[in-house]
Amino acid sequence: AQSVSQHNHHVILSEAASLELGCNYSYGGTVNLFWYVQYPGQHLQLLLKYFSGDPLVKGIKGFEAEFIKSKFSFNLRKPSVQWSDTAEYFCAVNAYSSASKIIFGSGTRLSIRP
Amino acid sequence: DAMVIQNPRYQVTQFGKPVTLSCSQTLNHNVMYWYQQKSSQAPKLLFHYYDKDFNNEADTPDNFQSRRPNTSFCFLDIRSPGLGDAAMYLCATSIPGTQSYEQYFGPGTRLTVT
Repeated sequence: AQSVSQHNHHVILSEAASLELGCNYSYGGTVNLFWYVQYPGQHLQLLLKYFSGDPLVKGIKGFEAEFIKSKFSFNLRKPSVQWSDTAEYFCAVNAYSSASKIIFGSGTRLSIRP
Repeated sequence: DAMVIQNPRYQVTQFGKPVTLSCSQTLNHNVMYWYQQKSSQAPKLLFHYYDKDFNNEADTPDNFQSRRPNTSFCFLDIRSPGLGDAAMYLCATSIPGTQSYEQYFGPGTRLTVT
């Protein structure tokens, strides 16, 4: 069965610090990968996605993620975080064999100190 | 220009009293999903419709039912809500395809069971 692991439950950073959130998945076949963000009181929205091609994907608000197939990883990065990045971040995987379904990780809560 | 609309945003029901949550979309997407999200947890897929085809997750309790009368609307019925069913319920849509399993989420309905 597919699964997604986000190892950091809660990350606390100061403004301007660099960010890396880990995501690993378990599935041997072709996958689509996503990072979703949920700001306080708001709905889930797509931050970035990987389907094919360049494994370094750039998303909104200065976020990027790198797909490393050999490590089954899709880590999220941002060089300099802002207070407004405080949110819950979810990694998600869609396996081609699972048709329309995507599996979410347990989420990482990011708190930014002003 | 809301794309996935959920009503109501907040719902209070009594223990054992049936409740219906609604979702509508203006995207004309084939697939509609219902997720349950409890505090600080990943969204948990309950079921999804691919057009009129209903797909139930194996661990979704029988207490949860769904209806999709047309492309635009989908309903979640909880026949006898228990205290453990208090959660945020998320509706999402997607267009299936080789590269388009990105899901679009509504704002959610927060269900309280008293």
